[in-house]
Amino acid sequence: GAGVSQSPRYKVTKRGQDVALRCDPISGHVSLYWYRQALGQGPEFLTYFNYEAQQDKSGLPNDRFSAERPEGSISTLTIQRTEQRDSAMYRCASSPGNSPLHFGNGTRLTVT
Amino acid sequence: AQSVTQPDIHITVSEGASLELRCNYSYGATPYLFWYVQSPGQGLQLLLKYFSGDTLVQGIKGFEAEFKRSQSSFNLRKPSVHWSDAAEYFCAVESGSARQLTFGSGTQLTVLP
Repeated sequence: GAGVSQSPRYKVTKRGQDVALRCDPISGHVSLYWYRQALGQGPEFLTYFNYEAQQDKSGLPNDRFSAERPEGSISTLTIQRTEQRDSAMYRCASSPGNSPLHFGNGTRLTVT
Repeated sequence: AQSVTQPDIHITVSEGASLELRCNYSYGATPYLFWYVQSPGQGLQLLLKYFSGDTLVQGIKGFEAEFKRSQSSFNLRKPSVHWSDAAEYFCAVESGSARQLTFGSGTQLTVLP
């Protein structure tokens, strides 16, 4: 595929469960970003990677959130012990370097 | 810290009318500015970007935006709106070192036939 692929598209989980959200960036893109978008708001930065190195995780709201990109390609955002306030659209984006970001269609997470 | 304000939550225009969506930013250095569009169920698509140089930038789908440093603004314009332009539009500023984007809260555009 030509674009950033995210899975699942929709995830409903019960409070207290762990979830893992997957992002498959555009092939060859060095940088990968995670954003979270609440309803009626713009996306907010969570974290980003260059290759496999996590460069900045200042946007992760607390230690229940973590991300990895072990081989410098696919990335996983994990939320442990989910809470209702974690419900949002989670967006991944990738970039070849010094270029604008290409966003995926997002994963809609609902915590019940 | 940088911030972006989109003062209009919702705008309605008739098809064929002109459009201007407002964006104001706060950033200490020369900003990198972007406009993205989000259609239902879709990802964010880049419309245009400003890095430096000519303050009037052209984008895809007939959109343009003008950077005005004195007003800290980067308003998006289109001379004649099409029904397919109905979507949510986001302005964003990039912080240079970390390449993070800070987005505004978006403007929802409705196009009347």
